[in-house]
Parts: sequence; structure tokens; C-alpha cells
Amino acid sequence: QKEVEQNSGPLSVPEGAIASLNCTYSDRGSQSFFWYRQYSGKSPELIMFIYSNGDKEDGRFTAQLNKASQYVSLLIRDSQPSDSATYLCAVLEISGSARQLTFGSGTQLTVLP
Amino acid sequence: ETGVTQTPRHLVMGMTNKKSLKCEQHLGHNAMYWYKQSAKKPLELMFVYNFKEQTENNSVPSRFSPECPNSSHLFLHLHTLQPEDSALYLCASSQEVGYWNTEAFFGQGTRLTVV
Repeated sequence: QKEVEQNSGPLSVPEGAIASLNCTYSDRGSQSFFWYRQYSGKSPELIMFIYSNGDKEDGRFTAQLNKASQYVSLLIRDSQPSDSATYLCAVLEISGSARQLTFGSGTQLTVLP
Repeated sequence: ETGVTQTPRHLVMGMTNKKSLKCEQHLGHNAMYWYKQSAKKPLELMFVYNFKEQTENNSVPSRFSPECPNSSHLFLHLHTLQPEDSALYLCASSQEVGYWNTEAFFGQGTRLTVV
């Protein structure tokens, strides 16, 4: 069974610090990777996507992908209390004509003022 | 506002009731999805529709019945549900572009409680 694994946390960091969120996936053929943020009681919203090995930066967020290690991470620089949420890693798996966006269970992040 | 609208936002139903969840997307996407989110569990994909054709059914019980009349609308018909079906039901849409998918945009969800 294809899986996406995340450390459920909770992860606590002080305001201004770097938060590091990690995700591993089992399907070596996966090509598309997404990070979503979900506030309590709200629906997931996309933060970043990454397709190629290496780093991708967008403002305070950096996604890192290592396909050889089947590992994708999200770094949040200068963390703010408003970043406190659950972060979901998602992997697009394609098998023939079937496509499935598989989510990890999420990492709960708390940024302490 | 993500361009994906779900109604109702909250629903309480008895185990013998029949109800339907509605999802509408205004993004011009060609793929729509139903997910179930239970407490402390990962998002579970239930159904995928691509170009109005169902392409995935992840062993979902028959008491959940999807309907996709066109590429902008998706329904989830519910009947004789169980209390363990209480969860947040999320609709999402995306655009399939060859081998890739654009990101999935989610609706606000329907919080379902089965009593």
C-alpha cells in the first residue's frame, strides 16, 4: 500500500525561528508533491508544490525534494504565530489512467509568541 | 474563497435518512474529488471524477453514492449511514494536464454528524 508519512507532532517553535516539517513517501514513481496548510475547522489550502529535486523558495517557505531518498520537506523561516496550523504533505500517484492525491496525516505546528 | 463551493456546511442526519452533499467548482477544472477527513486520521480519498467519468472508488461503502452530472458539479448521496461516518467531507478540484495535475483546490467542507 502506498503511503505518505509525517511526524504528527505537535511541533513547537518560538516566534522567529525556523520550523522544519518532514514527509516521506513510498511510491518511488511519484512526480508531484504538495504542501497544504489547514487551520482548525477549515479546509486545506495549498502553500507550495514541487516537482524537481532540490529547493524551491516562495517567500518565507522553502520546499525541498529528494526523490532518491523519497523525502520532501517544508521549511518556514521567521515563523509567526499565524503559521500555527496543521501542515499536510500530499503526493500525486499515477497508475495507468488512475490518479490519486495521497495525504499524510499532517504535522501540527505551534509557533509560540 | 477558493472557487470550490460546498453545501451544506453542516448536516445532522439520522441513520435512516437520505441526504445529499453538493459541490460546485468555478475554476474550469476537469477533475473533482470527494475526501473524508476524520479526527486524527489522514485525508481519505473516496471518489475521483475526471471529465465526468469516475476513475477511482477507494472501496467506499455503497451507502455513499457519487454523482457527477457535468464537470462543474459533484454530488455525494448519503443513505443509511452509520455514526462512524461522521466526519468532515471535503470536495476538491484540479486540472489534469498530461502527466501532471495542478494543485487541488478544496471547498470549505461539510461537517456531517450521524445520530
